[in-house]
Amino acid sequence: SQQGEEDPQALSIQEGENATMNCSYKTSINNLQWYRQNSGRGLVHLILIRSNEREKHSGRLRVTLDTSKKSSSLLITASRAADTASYFCATDAMDSNYQLIWGAGTKLIIKP
Amino acid sequence: ETGVTQTPRHLVMGMTNKKSLKCEQHLGHNAMYWYKQSAKKPLELMFVYSLEERVENNSVPSRFSPECPNSSHLFLHLHTLQPEDSALYLCASSQGTSLSTDTQYFGPGTRLTVL
Repeated sequence: SQQGEEDPQALSIQEGENATMNCSYKTSINNLQWYRQNSGRGLVHLILIRSNEREKHSGRLRVTLDTSKKSSSLLITASRAADTASYFCATDAMDSNYQLIWGAGTKLIIKP
Repeated sequence: ETGVTQTPRHLVMGMTNKKSLKCEQHLGHNAMYWYKQSAKKPLELMFVYSLEERVENNSVPSRFSPECPNSSHLFLHLHTLQPEDSALYLCASSQGTSLSTDTQYFGPGTRLTVL
């Protein structure tokens, strides 16, 4: 069953604005990862946040994790046209040592 | 780019054909994965290999047959597919020390169309 659900499904903003995407999940996790996928290509890992962490930064990316609400957010600051992509969250599955459970993704469009 | 290559990039096949997808990773990883990505659906994990042994098979129909001859290569053999099998097939690899925590490195995918 689907663990992560991203919100919104699609987001269109002007270049330079900040973009925020959210991910909710159902069960307890050890970690949550965010990935980016350019159209028709493979996924690229962005950041991993562990369940005992609340916030993590990487360049223009800021990820937060609220385990009490079972949710995470990905903030991209000062967006660029090259940030246009789909963004996915993935959580580890407590009943499997091998799987990541993926959401359906947020499609982000940055308008020049 | 990411150290994981997939061939072919595009494949069109009839329902009676037999074809194979190939994945190669140049990262020295010990785990490899096959995923199916259909439009507007979450990634579906198909198979996981760790140290060349299959450790996960997510109830995938037998018309999909994986093969991992060594830790750098992964194949997906296809036969008598259905039109609903049309999708982007992604290969990934990870170090394999802790599969549910490892960062996964993806190939560019094979866009498969079944007529």
